[in-house]
Amino acid sequence: IVMTQSPDSLAVSLGERATINCKSSQSILHSSNNKNYLGWYQQTPGQPPKLLISWASTRESGVPDRFSGSGSGTDFTLTISSLQAEDVAVYYCHQYYSSPRTFGQGTTVEIK
Amino acid sequence: QVQLQESGPGLVKPSGTLSLTCAVSGGFISSGNWWSWLRQPPGKGLEWIGEIYLSGSTNYSPSLKSRVTMSVDKSKNQFSLKLTSVTAADTAVYYCARDGVATYDYWGQGTLVTVSS
Repeated sequence: IVMTQSPDSLAVSLGERATINCKSSQSILHSSNNKNYLGWYQQTPGQPPKLLISWASTRESGVPDRFSGSGSGTDFTLTISSLQAEDVAVYYCHQYYSSPRTFGQGTTVEIK
Repeated sequence: QVQLQESGPGLVKPSGTLSLTCAVSGGFISSGNWWSWLRQPPGKGLEWIGEIYLSGSTNYSPSLKSRVTMSVDKSKNQFSLKLTSVTAADTAVYYCARDGVATYDYWGQGTLVTVSS
């Protein structure tokens, strides 16, 4: 399954909204449990990826509520409602619906 | 808190074999999870290499399958990766990770492996 993110990069002012899109080449909604097998990761320089959101919209423990995920089937969105300086990072979407697991190419978020 | 730590040579010669180990602490490799290897070439995105279960069952990336072997050592609470016939294209930061309830929830810090003579 190919994961395609857009845009490749975006610059947002502090306190403003950042939106990242992710599209899968086939549906990653499992009919047996009605769950989307989609995660979002945040990666800062020199660090491993950090899981922010699983099942397309479930925030991991400790993740600020300014991060939210939405979408279903093949189209997904990660939204940062009010960008903070510490949110500067590369964000990846990731499907775990089928093997081989795949990731989007990444979206770099910077401060404008 | 589960912690993972990769170890192994940081430099491998072309056509040689890359060997890495991931030590698991704060949890047990027999916990019922799958354990995975991923990599990230410098400045690029993430690539899944494969996964292993305590029983020794494995799944590998089709693009690397002919060169990859994974193993698990329950007594040492660790698992390992071997990648043969390496080229410069295999230069990357290699991560080990735990496959949690959803997907990879715990990651090692990563180790840079450079393929060069």
